[in-house]
Amino acid sequence: DGGITQSPKYLFRKEGQNVTLSCEQNLNHDAMYWYRQDPGQGLRLIYYSQIVNDFQKGDIAEGYSVSREKKESFPLTVTSAQKNPTAFYLCASSIWDGSPGTQYFGPGTRLLVL
Amino acid sequence: EDKVVQSPLSLVVHEGDTVTLNCSYEVTNFRSLLWYKQEKKAPTFLFMLTSSGIEKKSGRLSSILDKKELFSILNITATQTGDSAVYLCAVEAGSNYQLIWGAGTKLIIKP
Repeated sequence: DGGITQSPKYLFRKEGQNVTLSCEQNLNHDAMYWYRQDPGQGLRLIYYSQIVNDFQKGDIAEGYSVSREKKESFPLTVTSAQKNPTAFYLCASSIWDGSPGTQYFGPGTRLLVL
Repeated sequence: EDKVVQSPLSLVVHEGDTVTLNCSYEVTNFRSLLWYKQEKKAPTFLFMLTSSGIEKKSGRLSSILDKKELFSILNITATQTGDSAVYLCAVEAGSNYQLIWGAGTKLIIKP
């Protein structure tokens, strides 16, 4: 079955700790995205990548880092510099024909701070 | 600043009712408008609209775009409890055509 998987489903972070959220897709999509969703707000773009070994900052990249070493994988690290990390994190992918078009989403990871 | 505004923020109706959800936008370099349904986790794609006045339809759901007045509506007829979800609107726009998201409309269908 083709799709996007995210792990873990829930993640707990201690003060000062870096944590990494996994995102894998087998849709052969070029582009991948990370969003943050807070209650009552729209999705906000953290980082996106249109091609392997390249990525761009979104609207709220501070305190986050990513890598794109393989087409299928786009992990997100929430660093200790992100002071308010509690949120629902969604990964998405799409074909890239000059614009994102229809994006397909993973099931999300809920990050909580201890 | 590009923005997408959805209304109402929440809506409670009874099964069988018809609902209309709104999405208005102010963006530069508009390319398309998309509707997604988010139940508990992953948003799932409903429609992509690029041309004014052409209705897209899927079962009891339909949507239309007005590029002159800068809005779209999503209609759901004969609602069912399974339609309960957050409906998200996103606009593909800007210099790099990223998606700009509205805050969503939370729809609750009572049996």
